[in-house]
This record gives sequence, structure tokens and C-alpha cells, in this order.
Amino acid sequence: NAGVTQTPKFRILKIGQSMTLQCAQDMNHNYMYWYRQDPGMGLKLIYYSVGAGITDKGEVPNGYNVSRSTTEDFPLRLELAAPSQTSVYFCASSLNGGGAGELFFGEGSRLTVL
Amino acid sequence: KQEVTQIPAALSVPEGENLVLNCSFTDSAIYNLQWFRQDPGKGLTSLLLIQSSQREQTSGRLNASLDKSSGRSTLYIAASQPGDSATYLCAVRSDQTGANNLFFGTGTRLTVIP
Repeated sequence: NAGVTQTPKFRILKIGQSMTLQCAQDMNHNYMYWYRQDPGMGLKLIYYSVGAGITDKGEVPNGYNVSRSTTEDFPLRLELAAPSQTSVYFCASSLNGGGAGELFFGEGSRLTVL
Repeated sequence: KQEVTQIPAALSVPEGENLVLNCSFTDSAIYNLQWFRQDPGKGLTSLLLIQSSQREQTSGRLNASLDKSSGRSTLYIAASQPGDSATYLCAVRSDQTGANNLFFGTGTRLTVIP
């Protein structure tokens, strides 16, 4: 059972470059999320999706874009990378929202922008 | 805005000791509270989820309680083992701004000494 799979695990970018972090889940979950985790800080929500074709901003969406064309995939696009985007990025999914919506996380993608 | 606090930030105990980790949150309008474990360089593993209508959940040596009115949750670990060493994060699922977001604490780093 793969669960939530993220690629790549590590990436170094130069300032101004763009890239896409991939996320796929095989649990047929409706909700998917992208979080970033910075040292000493709690995880912050970047974007989320409640189903294919539906996305919405979280707390820290600036500099990122997402799409959700299928139930399984939820890629995160970084345009014009900046040093402030150096972080560990986590993708997560849950079957539904609300009280029973238990979140399952991927292993993370560590991004460094130089 | 929902704020989640975890105290202490770090805890060191000898093997076999029972211990309690604390989590507090500022807004009691939550759907659920979830406890996670994070090993260094890894993703988050869900330990326990307590829905807002529940008072506690148990899994093996772990017991989590929820007091919504006082904005507090505790994670009790019985007979601690070196393998329990990790960072423990709590998160509350809140519907602020319609985001159906999880708000995370910064975690308690637990070290169990053999």
C-alpha cells in the first residue's frame, strides 16, 4: 500500500528557476493538501483541494500554484523560486473533511533555493 | 486565528517511564484533533484522531484525551521505549475562513534514554 507518494525527495534550485513537486495518492481520497514545514515553525497550509477540478488557497499561497485534474494527483508548482521557499514540503490526503477526516502524509520533499 | 501550542518543546525521560505531552488551542470550534509522530527527515505518521464529540482515544500504549471547553489535549505514553523517541505534533482541524485547515503546533521532541 503506497499511500501518499511525493517526488522528488530532494532538490536544489537556483533563484528564479521553476519546478513542480509531484504528489500522488492511491487511497481514493477526496481531499488533498500541500504544507510547508520550516525549522521551529508549525506546518503551514499552502493549497488544498476537496476534489478533482477544485482547489483553494491556504495560509501561505504566494509563489505557488496547484492543479487537480485527477483524484490521485495534486502537483505543486513553484514559479520564480526565491530563497524564502527553502523548506520541506509535505503533501497529505484525507478521505473527507470534518471530524472523521484523518490526514495521511507523504515522506516530504526537501527544497533548497540558492 | 487558531493558535496551537505544545509544551514542553523537548523532553528527555528514562526508559520505562510514563509520560504526558500537552497541546493547547485557542479556538474550541474544532472538528477534531490529531496527534502525529515525526521521525527525523521523515513524514508525519498519524497516531490518534479524536473527533470533537469524543473525550479520548486509545491505541496500544498511547492514550489521547480532549477537553474542548478548556482548549486542551494530552497524549499519554505508557512504559516509554527508546523507539518512542521522535517529535510529536498535535493538530486541530478547524473551519476558520472556510479552509477546513489543520493548525499545527511546533511539536515536542521526545528522547527516551535506554
